[in-house]
Amino acid sequence: EVQLVESGGGLVQPGRSLTLSCAASGFTFDNHAMHWVRQAPGKGLEWVAEVSWNSGDIDYADSVKGRFTISRDNAKSSLFLQMSSLTTEDTALYFCAKAGPYSLDSWGQGTLVTVS
Amino acid sequence: DIVLTQSPATLSLSPGERATLSCRASQSVITRYLAWYQQKPGQAPRLLIYGTSTRATGIPNRFSGSGSGTDFTLTISRLEPEDFAVYYCQHYYLSRFTFGPGTRVDIK
Repeated sequence: EVQLVESGGGLVQPGRSLTLSCAASGFTFDNHAMHWVRQAPGKGLEWVAEVSWNSGDIDYADSVKGRFTISRDNAKSSLFLQMSSLTTEDTALYFCAKAGPYSLDSWGQGTLVTVS
Repeated sequence: DIVLTQSPATLSLSPGERATLSCRASQSVITRYLAWYQQKPGQAPRLLIYGTSTRATGIPNRFSGSGSGTDFTLTISRLEPEDFAVYYCQHYYLSRFTFGPGTRVDIK
């Protein structure tokens, strides 16, 4: 069974940094691209970032480009999101998700980031 | 960038009724790039349909997807109590995902 468990969320002041982690199990991690998606309180889904299986391709939403860095450690089946220069607009539940066929076929339960 | 619009914003139906949810793209999209998700309160989204019409693993056959060009539909043939949730359509392009604003299906 695929499991994705996010951690690292919390309350952070504007302008500060935070790093999220996602521990993956139940599938061959280094066979799949991985993504971060966020959801502001009471709002819809916003794609944040993608890293390919070998970290060769990385992309970001315009809203976070230059401030967030996605990375992965295939040896530890882990995904990361380093977030800097945080603003109140970054307050959201952050999900890690496994790439499927042009979709996201498994999601973690999310970790909440509150910038205040 | 492609923008997805979903209608209606809220659909109020009774268990056993048929639900028809619409997703419209701002320009024509490739059908294999269109997916649907279900999200219940306090839970992560769950993939229902990918490639416009292929059900994801474990998804009951009362869920079906169709469409082409700019107009796509998610149909739930007979609503079960557990189907009351928010549904999002999604478009994929060059490793990026765009989501629609969602349709809430609630109990009438």
